[in-house]
Amino acid sequence: RKEVEQDPGPFNVPEGATVAFNCTYSNSASQSFFWYRQDCRKEPKLLMSVYSSGNEDGRFTAQLNRASQYISLLIRDSKLSDSATYLCVVIAPGTYKYIFGTGTRLKVLA
Amino acid sequence: DVKVTQSSRYLVKRTGEKVFLECVQDMDHENMFWYRQDPGLGLRLIYFSYDVKMKEKGDIPEGYSVSREKKERFSLILESASTNQTSMYLCASSKIMNTEAFFGQGTRLTVV
Repeated sequence: RKEVEQDPGPFNVPEGATVAFNCTYSNSASQSFFWYRQDCRKEPKLLMSVYSSGNEDGRFTAQLNRASQYISLLIRDSKLSDSATYLCVVIAPGTYKYIFGTGTRLKVLA
Repeated sequence: DVKVTQSSRYLVKRTGEKVFLECVQDMDHENMFWYRQDPGLGLRLIYFSYDVKMKEKGDIPEGYSVSREKKERFSLILESASTNQTSMYLCASSKIMNTEAFFGQGTRLTVV
């Protein structure tokens, strides 16, 4: 089983739609989680950290489900500019290692 | 703003050449990382460093070495470049354990 798994997509959604991605992780002791966004041929950039209580930043909401070992990202009112690959990142417990999922590709269509 | 700067955006090298990829961060971060990113494989950790002159192997260190002589600079060295090292190389840094990592703009290396 991969340490971090994501559905590669693509998720094709119309503008204004709500879309959600999940990411599962294998190590139940993992403590730190992030969502990064990566545009084509660019570097990954932090979108948001994921806290135990869940957190929201504008149209974006991140949730952590420790019992089922997954994190989620919800995007409301999708914009064309949200088209990108979304990377789930988990820090391996007790280490400096950031473990990346292979990413979920989102295309928002006009 | 945190800035992580990689020395080149694009590089073309010949098989067997020794290749140096340089990365500099300006935010006094303790940790620095080198990843490579390939389609379908995602980002894979090559090496990381948590302090000056300290380094640890990541998941795919074979064919690579690193150097960290100063806190702000982390170099990746391909001792003898091979075509299977053609990839996007990404440098990252973070302040302490469990905080977000910041990435450089990437170096797209082609080995011919």
